[in-house]
Amino acid sequence: GENVEQHPSTLSVQEGDSAVIKCTYSDSASNYFPWYKQELGKGPQLIIDIRSNVGEKKDQRIAVTLNKTAKHFSLHITETQPEDSAVYFCAATEGAQKLVFGQGTRLTINP
Amino acid sequence: DADVTQTPRNRITKTGKRIMLECSQTKGHDRMYWYRQDPGLGLRLIYYSFDVKDINKGEISDGYSVSRQAQAKFSLSLESAIPNQTALYFCATSGPGTRSNQPQHFGDGTRLSIL
Repeated sequence: GENVEQHPSTLSVQEGDSAVIKCTYSDSASNYFPWYKQELGKGPQLIIDIRSNVGEKKDQRIAVTLNKTAKHFSLHITETQPEDSAVYFCAATEGAQKLVFGQGTRLTINP
Repeated sequence: DADVTQTPRNRITKTGKRIMLECSQTKGHDRMYWYRQDPGLGLRLIYYSFDVKDINKGEISDGYSVSRQAQAKFSLSLESAIPNQTALYFCATSGPGTRSNQPQHFGDGTRLSIL
């Protein structure tokens, strides 16, 4: 089955700097890659996703890149702000509608 | 009001007790999921259901059972709780219909502690 590895497990950046979180996956048939943000006491919320026919997608300060050949995808957050502090999860599909999640990255934005 | 509602939000119980966690949704989605979250392990799939008559085991179904009472309701049961089932539990939905690779929408979770 699918295996998703996420790095780093913790990340601390200065406010205004960029943050990058990386994930690798094992199943070459995976074709959908969402990213979720989880704030304290809340469930994960989808922030951006990318499908296998696209190499990059941007939404304001957030971007995701996908390299299908290398089987890795990354989340990029630019001009970080304190409200970006949270736990971030990547995921990849297994089969038609199951997701396999990475282990999570705790991002801290230092003022 | 939340689109995906989980009850209870917190529960403390003893080893051996039967526990039911409930999930209801107003999104009209066909697909519902139960996940477990442990520190450093991400979210792991327990059970999933693609419609009322369809129930499937996930990665870690041992010790759990589910019931899909209606399109909008999906319950998770621990028949005889044990301490290593202490975790955060999340319900999620996706849809509408059966188109593949649709985003999943999560509830705010149930924190379960088993003593």
